[in-house]
Amino acid sequence: NAGVTQTPKFQVLKTGQSMTLQCAQDMNHEYMSWYRQDPGMGLRLIHYSVGAGITDQGEVPNGYNVSRSTTEDFPLRLLSAAPSQTSVYFCASSYAPDGQETQYFGPGTRLLVL
Amino acid sequence: KQEVTQIPAALSVPEGENLVLNCSFTDSAIYNLQWFRQDPGKGLTSLLLIQSSQREQTSGRLNASLDKSSGRSTLYIAASQPGDSATYLCAVPGNQFYFGTGTSLTVIP
Repeated sequence: NAGVTQTPKFQVLKTGQSMTLQCAQDMNHEYMSWYRQDPGMGLRLIHYSVGAGITDQGEVPNGYNVSRSTTEDFPLRLLSAAPSQTSVYFCASSYAPDGQETQYFGPGTRLLVL
Repeated sequence: KQEVTQIPAALSVPEGENLVLNCSFTDSAIYNLQWFRQDPGKGLTSLLLIQSSQREQTSGRLNASLDKSSGRSTLYIAASQPGDSATYLCAVPGNQFYFGTGTSLTVIP
């Protein structure tokens, strides 16, 4: 049981490049979400999904796309990277939305946009 | 919008001390409150989930309390150890999950 896994662990991009951050969980959780963590601002929700085929925006969705074709996977796509997207990105999953159950977090992806 | 505040932002204590971390939130209509631990360069690990109907939840040397009416929660750590050094975050669910900015704890041997 690997829990929540994220790849890559670290990535450097140039402004304007695109990339996909991968997230997978093996706990059969319906609810998955992406956060970014910035110094002094805590964790902010980017996008979330309550099940395969269903996604919605969080607090800071601009510049990011998501899709959920399977229960296990929830990739986050940066369409055209900007320096403001330099951050640490965390994927999380839980049995239920709205925080009714414990959330499990991946180890994070550190992204640097030059 | 729910706002979550954690005080202090940083705390340094000698080993063996008991300590209290504070978390406050603005909207008391919550399902529960969760405390997480984050080690440097790592993800978040759930420590305690305290339901809105509960007043306390305990796990080992950790005890979390919740007072919905006053919008406060505390995390009590007994007999602190150097291995407790980490950042502790509280979070409350709503339309989304709202996190505090955390308290960075250093336990000095």
